[in-house]
Amino acid sequence: EAQVTQNPRYLITVTGKKLTVTCSQNMNHEYMSWYRQDPGLGLRQIYYSMNVEVTDKGDVPEGYKVSRKEKRNFPLILESPSPNQTSLYFCASRATPGVYNSPLHFGNGTRLTVT
Amino acid sequence: AQSVTQLGSHVSVSEGALVLLRCNYSSSVPPYLFWYVQYPNQGLQLLLKYTSAATLVKGINGFEAEFKKSETSFHLTKPSAHMSDAAEYFCAVTSNTGNQFYFGTGTSLTVIP
Repeated sequence: EAQVTQNPRYLITVTGKKLTVTCSQNMNHEYMSWYRQDPGLGLRQIYYSMNVEVTDKGDVPEGYKVSRKEKRNFPLILESPSPNQTSLYFCASRATPGVYNSPLHFGNGTRLTVT
Repeated sequence: AQSVTQLGSHVSVSEGALVLLRCNYSSSVPPYLFWYVQYPNQGLQLLLKYTSAATLVKGINGFEAEFKKSETSFHLTKPSAHMSDAAEYFCAVTSNTGNQFYFGTGTSLTVIP
């Protein structure tokens, strides 16, 4: 089954403790991206990647890191999480970034709580 | 930058009634627009997308949207609401380069039995 898989689904951590949220897709998509969803703000893009070893900042990159060493994986790293990073996070992939109407395929989300 | 505005963060309709969810875009070039649906505890699923081939776009689950350039709108409609339509709906547009998606703030649809 074609899918985007995120882990974990739920994560509770403390301020400053490094964490990684994994994302993997099995559709051989070139493009992958991370979003955070907050009430009243919709989804905002954190980082995106056009292909292996190519990443770029989205609208809210502060406090996050990403890497794209393999085509299928795009982990999101919070090196020193803070309470304002408490949110619902989504990973998404897309087949052809240069084709404007190529839709995003989403994972099921990771709910992160930072205390 | 591209953007979309969704009017009404919460919409309630009776079962069997018309569903109308509003989306207006801000774009200096022809936009590529999408509607996504999010059911509780799930990711976003594509409902439909505008590709410029036709102004009326049909999607899954009986939803459709009409692109109106004169009104810069891409409203989502369904003639008859079902209980299973209760979810959050997001309008989205791609950037001029096609590299980024910009989402609206979402509309939560409640269907009253």
